[in-house]
Amino acid sequence: SQKIEQNSEALNIQEGKTATLTCNYTNYSPAYLQWYRQDPGRGPVFLLLIRENEKEKRKERLKVTFDTTLKQSLFHITASQPADSATYLCALDNSGGYQKVTFGTGTKLQVIP
Amino acid sequence: SQTIHQWPATLVQPVGSPLSLECTVEGTSNPNLYWYRQAAGRGLQLLFYSVGIGQISSEVPQNLSASRPQDRQFILSSKKLLLSDSGFYLCAWSGQAFSGNTIYFGEGSWLTVV
Repeated sequence: SQKIEQNSEALNIQEGKTATLTCNYTNYSPAYLQWYRQDPGRGPVFLLLIRENEKEKRKERLKVTFDTTLKQSLFHITASQPADSATYLCALDNSGGYQKVTFGTGTKLQVIP
Repeated sequence: SQTIHQWPATLVQPVGSPLSLECTVEGTSNPNLYWYRQAAGRGLQLLFYSVGIGQISSEVPQNLSASRPQDRQFILSSKKLLLSDSGFYLCAWSGQAFSGNTIYFGEGSWLTVV
């Protein structure tokens, strides 16, 4: 069966360090992978998209890697700040003729001052 | 710019009562529309998606239904709510292009069935 796995345990890191979140998937052949941020009681907000032919994508302090051989994406936040504390979701398309995106359960990041 | 609104933001409904959540999108035409549910501490579950007026696909069999009476309007309904319907409901939209489109979410609706 298809699975998108993110570390369900919360990730606590010290302010200023780099946070690394993992997204693993099985039985998918995604054309792209997306990362979203979700704050408590709010809808997810899009952060970055990386396509299957891209190895790495950057946006300000964010970096995403995509390894289709390992079926894994890593999401990095450098110089983390308490304001980065949130739940981060990865999302994959299910391929086929219609864009049907499935989300992982997310990893909660807590940046400690 | 595009915006998405859904309402009501919160509601408490008794078991067996009906439900209607509404969502509208502005600033775009012919969007893909979605309803997701997020139970406490759980991931996002896709309930329904629509590629056009009157075209609804259901992902999960349940006592909920969806309708798209207009291009940018999406409605989630139930005739009789169950306790298990409690959760955070999110309407969302994306562009019609096949690959790589971002999904934009509404503010969400908290439903508590008592």
